[in-house]
Amino acid sequence: GQQVMQIPQYQHVQEGEDFTTYCNSSTTLSNIQWYKQRPGGHPVFLIQLVKSGEVKKQKRLTFQFGEAKKNSSLHITATQTTDVGTYFCGRSRNAGNNRKLIWGLGTSLAVNP
Amino acid sequence: NAGVTQTPKFRILKIGQSMTLQCTQDMNHNYMYWYRQDPGMGLKLIYYSVGAGITDKGEVPNGYNVSRSTTEDFPLRLELAAPSQTSVYFCASDGRGYNSPLHFGNGTRLTVT
Repeated sequence: GQQVMQIPQYQHVQEGEDFTTYCNSSTTLSNIQWYKQRPGGHPVFLIQLVKSGEVKKQKRLTFQFGEAKKNSSLHITATQTTDVGTYFCGRSRNAGNNRKLIWGLGTSLAVNP
Repeated sequence: NAGVTQTPKFRILKIGQSMTLQCTQDMNHNYMYWYRQDPGMGLKLIYYSVGAGITDKGEVPNGYNVSRSTTEDFPLRLELAAPSQTSVYFCASDGRGYNSPLHFGNGTRLTVT
């Protein structure tokens, strides 16, 4: 019930192709955070979505939050080798003083030059 | 401003040995977390802390202990290392309120043989 499912698990693209990863939940999400982890690195925060239907852009990256706030997507236009890494989504869960981020398993992106 | 600093970066332990993974942050964040990440997998929460003197278990606390005597430091203790604890450990913090993003350290790669 509290999990977030990410698909696909892996994606292999040619440089210049587009890429999309999806984050789905069976329950309504209060927010979605997206992180990128380069190979051998640590997760780095990319963006947070809070509002229903929200769309945010960062250069070639487009983040969307579904109207029902049960899913989110990250779309990369014209991938570059610098986009290689694993993209994680996570949702906050508050229970009293217990604040945790519930993570998806991530989508690993490989880009062929 | 160093952010979240973890030491050591790498460590090899023999089965049954003990060690402490150090984590310190200089952002005055109340919330701190320890995650482990197994190859090709997502992040699993070990322990977290909502402030000095307060800690709580995450998803996979067995075999670990933590303490939080100051706002800055959140060490993770492995008492009797087991091969199943071979993993990459990340410390993270956040502190500006609900929905605030996580700041991660660079990670500690631990091998138990």
